[in-house]
Amino acid sequence: QKEVEQNSGPLSVPEGAIASLNCTYSDRGSQSFFWYRQYSGKSPELIMSIYSNGDKEDGRFTAQLNKASQYVSLLIRDSQPSDSATYLCAVKPGTSYGKLTFGQGTILTVHP
Amino acid sequence: NAGVMQNPRHLVRRRGQEARLRCSPMKGHSHVYWYRQLPEEGLKFMVYLQKENIIDESGMPKERFSAEFPKEGPSILRIQQVVRGDSAAYFCASSPSGQGSNQPQHFGDGTRLSIL
Repeated sequence: QKEVEQNSGPLSVPEGAIASLNCTYSDRGSQSFFWYRQYSGKSPELIMSIYSNGDKEDGRFTAQLNKASQYVSLLIRDSQPSDSATYLCAVKPGTSYGKLTFGQGTILTVHP
Repeated sequence: NAGVMQNPRHLVRRRGQEARLRCSPMKGHSHVYWYRQLPEEGLKFMVYLQKENIIDESGMPKERFSAEFPKEGPSILRIQQVVRGDSAAYFCASSPSGQGSNQPQHFGDGTRLSIL
């Protein structure tokens, strides 16, 4: 079992729709969870961080965390073509001093 | 530019040469992390450093790779006797001190290393 798993996609949604990206993790002791966006050939850019169960909203983005199910998701409302990128889920394992474990990423395409 | 600064952006080396990658963290950040992204693969942790200390090097290959973060100057990732398989994008990230290990990490633009 991979430590952090994401559906690699590609996930294709029409402009204006909600994109839903999912991530599961194996370490129950994990405390910190992050979503990054990476455009092709560029560096990862932090979108959201979440530490507690429930929802956290920032603009068009909502992160959801369920520690009991070991599941974290990212919703993107009113998707725009500029949201087309690879979305990386990152988890700080409970035993980690600071290392992040990344999923393989989900490729999102928003078509006009 | 107050972001994480990496240089060079692109580095070409022949097999057997040494590669030195540099990273200056964001202002106010004292935690530095190095990750490697191989083509078509995800980001893999290599090493976590604070000033003059290696905190976690569990992701570093045992041979040829070393990292440092001196009291003065940037963090350096050094790869000796490079091989074709070292070709990758190397990203540096930094986070603040304090509750640093739970703080978000901010990434630099990366160094694309190509081995001829």
